[in-house]
Amino acid sequence: KQEVTQIPAALSVPEGENLVLNCSFTDSAIYNLQWFRQDPGKGLTSLLLIQSSQREQTSGRLNASLDKSSGRSTLYIAASQPGDSATYLCAVSTAGGSYIPTFGRGTSLIVHP
Amino acid sequence: SQTIHQWPATLVQPVGSPLSLECTVEGTSNPNLYWYRQAAGRGLQLLFYSVGIGQISSEVPQNLSASRPQDRQFILSSKKLLLSDSGFYLCAWDRQYMNTEAFFGQGTRLTVV
Repeated sequence: KQEVTQIPAALSVPEGENLVLNCSFTDSAIYNLQWFRQDPGKGLTSLLLIQSSQREQTSGRLNASLDKSSGRSTLYIAASQPGDSATYLCAVSTAGGSYIPTFGRGTSLIVHP
Repeated sequence: SQTIHQWPATLVQPVGSPLSLECTVEGTSNPNLYWYRQAAGRGLQLLFYSVGIGQISSEVPQNLSASRPQDRQFILSSKKLLLSDSGFYLCAWDRQYMNTEAFFGQGTRLTVV
């Protein structure tokens, strides 16, 4: 059974710092890995989707990498801003007949001015 | 464009009362549909998923049930709520047989008192 772990669980940084959020998964036979953002009391917003054949994806100040063989992904946030404060969730869709995403518990990020 | 609607946004229900949460998707056909629950301090737990009308798979045995009466409608129900049913319920969809991203509704905050 796929297990997804996110480290750290919480992070508080001053504005302007570059950040790295980590996601690891136990079963490397994946279809894709997706990073989401969740604001308090809200649903999930998709940030980046990395297919299993890809090594990274970029969107603005966000860059996500994937090392499938080692079961790891990182989300890099450049020049963090207070508006980046949210919980960031990693989800993995595993091979074996379905694409159902399995989620980590998330990293709660606070960027203070 | 595709959109997903989930309602109500918040709900306070007494123990033993019934529950009905509704989710609809617009702008696509034959989606995979999912119900997740997010409890405080825990990750997203998959409750049910559906690949077609009347086709429901349950991931965990519990007090809840799901139905898909129409292609783009997914309903989460309970006959008698328990205190432990409190949580944040999220509906999601993605495209069948395609390695694409998942999209989430805004969630329903259920408090059982």
